[in-house]
Amino acid sequence: NAGVIQTPRHKVTGKGQEATLWCEPISGHSAVFWYRQTIVQGLEFLTYFRNQAPIDDSGMPKERFSAQMPNQSHSTLKIQSTQPQDSAVYLCASSLRGNTGQLYFGEGSKLTVL
Amino acid sequence: AQSVTQPDARVTVSEGASLQLRCKYSSSGTPYLFWYVQYPRQGLQLLLKYYSGDPVVQGVNGFEAEFSKSNSSFHLRKASVHWSDSAVYFCVLSHLNQGGSAKLIFGEGTKLTVSS
Repeated sequence: NAGVIQTPRHKVTGKGQEATLWCEPISGHSAVFWYRQTIVQGLEFLTYFRNQAPIDDSGMPKERFSAQMPNQSHSTLKIQSTQPQDSAVYLCASSLRGNTGQLYFGEGSKLTVL
Repeated sequence: AQSVTQPDARVTVSEGASLQLRCKYSSSGTPYLFWYVQYPRQGLQLLLKYYSGDPVVQGVNGFEAEFSKSNSSFHLRKASVHWSDSAVYFCVLSHLNQGGSAKLIFGEGTKLTVSS
């Protein structure tokens, strides 16, 4: 069984451009999580879907960030008008049911905003 | 407020020595606690979890952790470390279904270096 797949692994954008990050969860997992990892802030929760429905987006910056899960096989995180402070590793994780705390993480998408 | 603190940013131990990584948590409800590990160039992996019951829980690769409600701690231990244990270890807190969200709250991480 393949793990969580995230693409692209590395993305470089210019300030003000849009970035879209993709996540393919493990087949059969009903929950998908997005986290952001930086040296300064560590691992920060962004958002969480269960059965494709948004459950908790309390960690999402109110402007410029959006996440969707149009079907059970992928989720996207979109950042509009990227800023240098958005540079981070964005981690996607999936979970069988979402309420066990056992998450399977992808290797992350490293976003660099110049 | 919920939070997790790992007071040691870096720990170095000799191969074969014992290990303890410290974790303190703050929680207003019933805490569910985890340790995750991040090996270089790999995704985060679950080491062990505590939901309730026996305060000492066993994990993979010889790791164990002990929950203490009185001390608000969940320290990770290993009797004898191997060079391959070098990684970043995260203590994690969740309230799972309480309030509807299952988000995990991560500590700052402790970078473990095992020297030969």
